Amino acid sequence: NAGVMQNPRHLVRRRGQEARLRCSPMKGHSHVYWYRQLPEEGLKFMVYLQKENIIDESGMPKERFSAEFPKEGPSILRIQQVVRGDSAAYFCASSPGAQDTQYFGPGTRLTVL
Amino acid sequence: QQQVKQSPQSLIVQKGGIPIINCAYENTAFDYFPWYQQFPGKGPALLIAIRPDVSEKKEGRFTISFNKSAKQFSLHIMDSQPGDSATYFCAASKTDDKIIFGKGTRLHILP
Repeated sequence: NAGVMQNPRHLVRRRGQEARLRCSPMKGHSHVYWYRQLPEEGLKFMVYLQKENIIDESGMPKERFSAEFPKEGPSILRIQQVVRGDSAAYFCASSPGAQDTQYFGPGTRLTVL
Repeated sequence: QQQVKQSPQSLIVQKGGIPIINCAYENTAFDYFPWYQQFPGKGPALLIAIRPDVSEKKEGRFTISFNKSAKQFSLHIMDSQPGDSATYFCAASKTDDKIIFGKGTRLHILP
């Protein structure tokens, strides 16, 4: 049973470009969470999704950031018009149910030049 | 407002020693307290978790102590090994809500 998969592992973008981060949850998991981790910081919750629904997006910046988890395919975190401050590690986690243990992927390290 | 405060930021312990990492929380509605271990370049992995109906939980060399009245909990690593060197995060959540993480403790075990 493969774990949570994220790609790409490393992503470099210039200011103003778009970044798309993908997350494939563990088999049988229908709940996906996105977190951002800055150097020397803990993980900050961004958004929680179930298939085709956003359950909690209270940690998402109001502009430029969006997330989806379609019926088929991976969850996507999209950052439009990236700025240097978006440089961070973005982690995805999945769980089979809302109160179950979250399993984390290896992360995508985004660098904005 | 930091809902989960973790200390120390970094910790160096001799092999065989017992590192202790402390966390304090604000919200009395929290009912789930996990600890995650993260190695460089990897995602966090659940290490051990506790609910407030018990004061201690032990899994192998890892023990969580929980003090509900003080709103504090801590992680103890018995007989620590160099392979335990990692960043440890405490966290807290309430039912059906997101997990709030502490800022992490970088632990280094000297050989």
